[in-house]
Amino acid sequence: QVHLVESGGGLVKPGGSLTLSCAASGFTSSDHYMTWIRQAPGKGLDCLSIISRTGGAIFYADSVKGRFTISRDNSRNSLSLQMNSLRVEDTAVYYCAILTSRYGSGPYNAFDIWGQGTVVTVSS
Amino acid sequence: SYVLTQSPSVSAAPGKAARITCGANNIGTKTVHWYQQKPGQAPVVVIYYDSDRPSGIPERFSGSNSGNTATLTISRVEAGDEADYYCHVWDSSSNHVVFGGGTKLTVL
Repeated sequence: QVHLVESGGGLVKPGGSLTLSCAASGFTSSDHYMTWIRQAPGKGLDCLSIISRTGGAIFYADSVKGRFTISRDNSRNSLSLQMNSLRVEDTAVYYCAILTSRYGSGPYNAFDIWGQGTVVTVSS
Repeated sequence: SYVLTQSPSVSAAPGKAARITCGANNIGTKTVHWYQQKPGQAPVVVIYYDSDRPSGIPERFSGSNSGNTATLTISRVEAGDEADYYCHVWDSSSNHVVFGGGTKLTVL
């Protein structure tokens, strides 16, 4: 059974750093693009970053470019998000997800499987 | 930047159809995906590639996309369909994912 589990969330002060991890099981993560998506309290979905199967192509939302870094370790079936210079407005539930490859591999695909999310709170 | 516009709320009586729209300039030239999110849960894809239905999603869910509007239709709405629904596209001109603001479906 395909499963994604996020970890690493918590309370951090503004300006601080945090690293999120996503452990994948039940499938070969290297077969799929992967992504981090967040949802602030009471708000909609916000895709932060997408990484290709090999890590050779990476896309960032303008809101996190230069502050967040996505990476993957296919040997460990895992995905990470290094978050620096955190702001109060980064407070959210952070989800990792895999993209389908139904019609080829690329960032245009749907987010097929999601983790349960990890909560990041940025507050002084 | 590319903007997807969804109505904040839609309501439908049980057994009736609910239509949730996602509007944007020439969205018909893009591929649209739809997600359902219930309170406290992660989103679930209910329609991908405009009109394909993932396994396990009831046939009551269907999608279309043409011109400036993509539509998610839920026929014979049930109480369990009450949720937030989001549309999603990939904007290749900016290399960004774009989500609609979400529509809350209320089952009367």
